[in-house]
Amino acid sequence: DQQVKQNSPSLSVQEGRISILNCDYTNSMFDYFLWYKKYPAEGPTFLISISSIKDKNEDGRFTVFLNKSAKHLSLHIVPSQPGDSAVYFCAASGYNTDKLIFGTGTRLQVFP
Amino acid sequence: KAGVTQTPRYLIKTRGQQVTLSCSPISGHRSVSWYQQTPGQGLQFLFEYFSETQRNKGNFPGRFSGRQFSNSRSEMNVSTLELGDSALYLCASSATSDVTEQYFGPGTRLTVT
Repeated sequence: DQQVKQNSPSLSVQEGRISILNCDYTNSMFDYFLWYKKYPAEGPTFLISISSIKDKNEDGRFTVFLNKSAKHLSLHIVPSQPGDSAVYFCAASGYNTDKLIFGTGTRLQVFP
Repeated sequence: KAGVTQTPRYLIKTRGQQVTLSCSPISGHRSVSWYQQTPGQGLQFLFEYFSETQRNKGNFPGRFSGRQFSNSRSEMNVSTLELGDSALYLCASSATSDVTEQYFGPGTRLTVT
């Protein structure tokens, strides 16, 4: 049972345009969501997070939106840069789970 | 401050063998979690240790086990290896039991032939 889903395995975006990565979850008890970025041969690194009491969190070029009623979150990268090319994982935690539940990842490729 | 280190980085084993992977957390971190990453499955939680005690366990068979030492270093053992165990094994550490503040190591790539 995949509680956190990233339905797009890959995304290709031109440099300078917006990248939108999506994530859906099924567990309504999740109250904290995170995005990680992973380059090949490296471990995932934390990118940005959002608490369920908010619907938006912004950090530079990265913004995460949370729609609790739809159990959906998205990561916007504006403008996209070639260095953003990586695999992005969303993750969730909540009252009834003290571990992180990860999605399957979306491979983003930003081309010139 | 040194990051999370994992050894070895790459490993090739044969079906039926066993393997031990090692993780050294960031200095001062007491929590170590292990994850398995496979294509199409993302990162799947294996277990978490905090101050030498297993605090949480994922849905993996008993062939997967781990332990944590008094210096917070952790080892993960997989016995009777199967082809499906081929994966990237990631270790993450955090200073507290708050797993939302984890730092990941580079992983150990295990190939089972």
